[in-house]
Amino acid sequence: KNEVEQSPQNLTAQEGEFITINCSYSVGISALHWLQQHPGGGIVSLFMLSSGKKKHGRLIATINIQEKHSSLHITASHPRDSAVYICAVSGNQFYFGTGTSLTVIP
Amino acid sequence: GAVVSQHPSWVICKSGTSVKIECRSLDFQATTMFWYRQFPKQSLMLMATSNEGSKATYEQGVEKDKFLINHASLTLSTLTVTSAHPEDSSFYICSARDRQGVDTIYFGEGSWLTVV
Repeated sequence: KNEVEQSPQNLTAQEGEFITINCSYSVGISALHWLQQHPGGGIVSLFMLSSGKKKHGRLIATINIQEKHSSLHITASHPRDSAVYICAVSGNQFYFGTGTSLTVIP
Repeated sequence: GAVVSQHPSWVICKSGTSVKIECRSLDFQATTMFWYRQFPKQSLMLMATSNEGSKATYEQGVEKDKFLINHASLTLSTLTVTSAHPEDSSFYICSARDRQGVDTIYFGEGSWLTVV
């Protein structure tokens, strides 16, 4: 059993659609991270959160500590959002989800 | 904004040789840096946590004598793959933690290592 579970694994959306990626974890954490990895491999840290909700541009991340669940939302999706989105949690150790491959079609 | 620079981006080395990868935080001091590896179509795997001025903490299954990590300054950590073998070929990524202001982690662009 993975400590971090992400869903869906793959997601295809039409440009403009609202997208949600979910992350559930089973360990105690001090923070949860949402990462974006582009085809070339480079990784960008989108959010690091330990409670509540954060918003950056069209991206929104929420976390429910009691339910051990987080969601990443993308509003008005665009083809340039196509990437792999990875959920990671940190506490005593770092655990990574297997990623969600998002393709946004024009 | 904060940037983490990783070098080299690509490296090919012969089996048995050693290769060093550098990770620099360009505009902040990073007391903690992390090293990861990623095999094709797999998720990131944390290899070790590096704290400035002290020995790195390695994850279970990661050979510390094979993957030497040095964090000699607040802006530089290095990963040296010693006596590289083809199975060490992978994508290696570093990240650095910026605790000043908003506590966040920034990732380097990664280094593709191919051992032939």
